[in-house]
Amino acid sequence: GEDVEQSLFLSVREGDSSVINCTYTDSSSTYLYWYKQEPGAGLQLLTYIFSNMDMKQDQRLTVLLNKKDKHLSLRIADTQTGDSAIYFCAENPGSARQLTFGSGTQLTVLP
Amino acid sequence: NAGVMQNPRHLVRRRGQEARLRCSPMKGHSHVYWYRQLPEEGLKFMVYLQKENIIDESGMPKERFSAEFPKEGPSILRIQQVVRGDSAAYFCASSSGLAQETQYFGPGTRLLVL
Repeated sequence: GEDVEQSLFLSVREGDSSVINCTYTDSSSTYLYWYKQEPGAGLQLLTYIFSNMDMKQDQRLTVLLNKKDKHLSLRIADTQTGDSAIYFCAENPGSARQLTFGSGTQLTVLP
Repeated sequence: NAGVMQNPRHLVRRRGQEARLRCSPMKGHSHVYWYRQLPEEGLKFMVYLQKENIIDESGMPKERFSAEFPKEGPSILRIQQVVRGDSAAYFCASSSGLAQETQYFGPGTRLLVL
């Protein structure tokens, strides 16, 4: 199957950490991605992780991958109001080139 | 700026008209993907093209929708006889074609069918 699931909403206070979770079903996925979409805009690639890694850190972003549970998370440290956006998790199943996206998590950062 | 370009950014059509959406891939990229985003939903794959070839159109509706990527010029997604349900944001992404390579997205075309 090709289902990627995310919770729809997350609210955090400015300065706190945000954790956005994602579950996927295709164990053949070799790359998993996080994209950010601001209102009315396209998708901005934030980071990605190769399936043989457990963790990847990139400045304020930390990606954790649990292959056994097919669970991916994105942690944003010191969340800022500019981080308010929709965050999409996507997988790249090994058998195909196209990406399969989750429905997105709307992150709201409160002052 | 050699990013993925899409035009128009916004397109309004009446039911029954045709919509043509254009995508110019990032410089050096020869692979193009089209995705559709319905309101409040994630992106759904439609079609994957290389120059002059459709590689995978498994996500394309069987009727009214077609896509091309000619040797010269942008990729075109064409929707004939549009209906209200075609209202969505259509995103194009490009890659260089290496296996598992990252796709970079354009800003999208928002299509509204009245």
